[in-house]
Amino acid sequence: DAGVTQSPTHLIKTRGQQVTLRCSPISGHKSVSWYQQVLGQGPQFIFQYYEKEERGRGNFPDRFSARQFPNYSSELNVNALLLGDSALYLCASSLWTSGMREQYFGPGTRLTVT
Amino acid sequence: DAKTTQPTSMDCAEGRAANLPCNHSTISGNEYVYWYRQIHSQGPQYIIHGLKNNETNEMASLIITEDRKSSTLILPHATLRDTAVYYCIVRVEGSSYKLIFGSGTRLLVRP
Repeated sequence: DAGVTQSPTHLIKTRGQQVTLRCSPISGHKSVSWYQQVLGQGPQFIFQYYEKEERGRGNFPDRFSARQFPNYSSELNVNALLLGDSALYLCASSLWTSGMREQYFGPGTRLTVT
Repeated sequence: DAKTTQPTSMDCAEGRAANLPCNHSTISGNEYVYWYRQIHSQGPQYIIHGLKNNETNEMASLIITEDRKSSTLILPHATLRDTAVYYCIVRVEGSSYKLIFGSGTRLLVRP
């Protein structure tokens, strides 16, 4: 079975632009979470979606938004990009929203903002 | 979720056991200890978790002290592929929807 997939692998944007990152969860997983990992730090929680509803939000500005589609794939949108948004963006899927024991992470999308 | 403290870095020889400590002195009775690792440029990978009993799976063993204030992840026969950052996380099973990662321990397995 395929694991969590994310696209694109890398991308470069300039300040002020908008970006959309995509994630496809493991088949059968209905929960998707997004994390941001700045170089040298551990991942930081951004959002969690379960059954197409937002179930949790981390301490990120409103420039960050996400959604989940009927097939449980998800998109993360970041508007008005700042240099500090440069990071590895990780998507993780799991079976449940609250009862989850294991989150399966994708390889991430590396975003560089210049 | 309780805070954890891990050494910044460790190293061990290939084939030897790697013992990675984690302190979680403020852990509460219903919080589990989870371990994830992140190999360079990849997403984090679940390793093991436990509440108060020692746990073992095909990847590692988890030893939790009786007072539950610390734990040790054991990789019994470390290989070069085990070189990674290891994260110890405590969370309440069934209620917390997010993982709170610290800085982790960077393990270097030497040939």
